[in-house]
Amino acid sequence: SQQGEEDPQALSIQEGENATMNCSYKTSINNLQWYRQNSGRGLVHLILIRSNEREKHSGRLRVTLDTSKKSSSLLITASRAADTASYFCATDRDFGNEKLTFGTGTRLTIIP
Amino acid sequence: AAGVIQSPRHLIKEKRETATLKCYPIPRHDTVYWYQQGPGQDPQFLISFYEKMQSDKGSIPDRFSAQQFSDYHSELNMSSLELGDSALYFCASSPQGRETQYFGPGTRLLVL
Repeated sequence: SQQGEEDPQALSIQEGENATMNCSYKTSINNLQWYRQNSGRGLVHLILIRSNEREKHSGRLRVTLDTSKKSSSLLITASRAADTASYFCATDRDFGNEKLTFGTGTRLTIIP
Repeated sequence: AAGVIQSPRHLIKEKRETATLKCYPIPRHDTVYWYQQGPGQDPQFLISFYEKMQSDKGSIPDRFSAQQFSDYHSELNMSSLELGDSALYFCASSPQGRETQYFGPGTRLLVL
């Protein structure tokens, strides 16, 4: 069953603007990860945030995690046309090797 | 850097036929995961293997089976194919104790 819901389901912004996507989940987690998927292609790992972390940065990406609200957000700053893709959050529940449960994804379109 | 390899990349089958999907993990990764992504859906976990033993099982139909071999590659065998099996099938790998899963490009299966 689906662990996460992502919000919004689709987002269109102008190139150069910031994009924010949200993810909510239902059960306790060990880690939350964000993945990018270009249309019909593979999933690319973007960033991982652990349950004891509140914020993490990687380049133009900023991820926050609020375990009390069971939610996370992904911020992409200074968006580029190449950022056009679907973005999924995925959670795992136990340390080590554990299946990922994906959210429904946000389809991001960057308008040049 | 070496990535996860999946073959074939595309596969067309008739109903009731069988299909075998192959996955070659990143070198020194001993855990393999299989996911299914239907059109417009989020990836759903099917099954995983660690050190050639099944480690977790998700929503995998009884018509499907999988195994991991001594060289750590894995195969997903699908029998009595149904139209609803048409999807992208992803394999991911990770080293033991590491949470990040690295995804292959996927096999796109179309059942006619």
